[in-house]
Amino acid sequence: QVQLVESGGGVVQPGRSLRLSCAASGFSFSNYAMHWVRQAPGKGLEWVAVIWFDETDKYYADSVKGRFTISRDNSKNTLYLQMNSLRGDDTAVYYCARADRRRFCSGGDCFDYNWFDPWGQGALVTVSS
Amino acid sequence: DIQMTQSPSSLSASIGDRVTITCRASQSIGSYLNWYQQKPGKAPRILIYAASNLESGVPSRFSGSGSGTDFTLTISSLQPEDFATYYCQQGFNTWGFTFGPGTKVDVK
Repeated sequence: QVQLVESGGGVVQPGRSLRLSCAASGFSFSNYAMHWVRQAPGKGLEWVAVIWFDETDKYYADSVKGRFTISRDNSKNTLYLQMNSLRGDDTAVYYCARADRRRFCSGGDCFDYNWFDPWGQGALVTVSS
Repeated sequence: DIQMTQSPSSLSASIGDRVTITCRASQSIGSYLNWYQQKPGKAPRILIYAASNLESGVPSRFSGSGSGTDFTLTISSLQPEDFATYYCQQGFNTWGFTFGPGTKVDVK
């Protein structure tokens, strides 16, 4: 079945770095864009970053731009998030999610829709001294 | 950036109630609106994509409607397993995706 499994979470001091991994299985990983989404304790969901299926495009939330780097290794079916200069407000559960998609066409016009599915179980990152 | 709001932020309901949650975008997003359900300690789960399309395996008591800036998630008859937090999410911009703040549905 389609599955995403995150790893690499833990406790890290402010200013230090951490790399998360997300191992994908059950689908053609190299055909899908992939996302990272995070959730601070007791808070809502915050989109973090997306990477195109072929790495041609990457986009980041303003809150992590310049500090976090999303990457992937399609030969290993694995997504990564390199987190540098970590701060206390980066403390969160980090989820990887596949960009599921469907094209709808009507009257000759077609539109591509994307959503997050499935999600991994999440990896907790705690930034604390 | 596109901002998303949801109302109410929380609601209390009883089994069998009809529940409606509203999501509003700060600018028109067409039908690029998705709904998720999240239970405590679990990852979110997709319910509705492209504003009104029910994800496979999701019970038919869930439905979505709307386009442009105003959207609605409706649960026609609330079941015990539906007590959770619900999030809307816009997918209009491929360079930035935004979630609403969430609506918590709990037991009256």
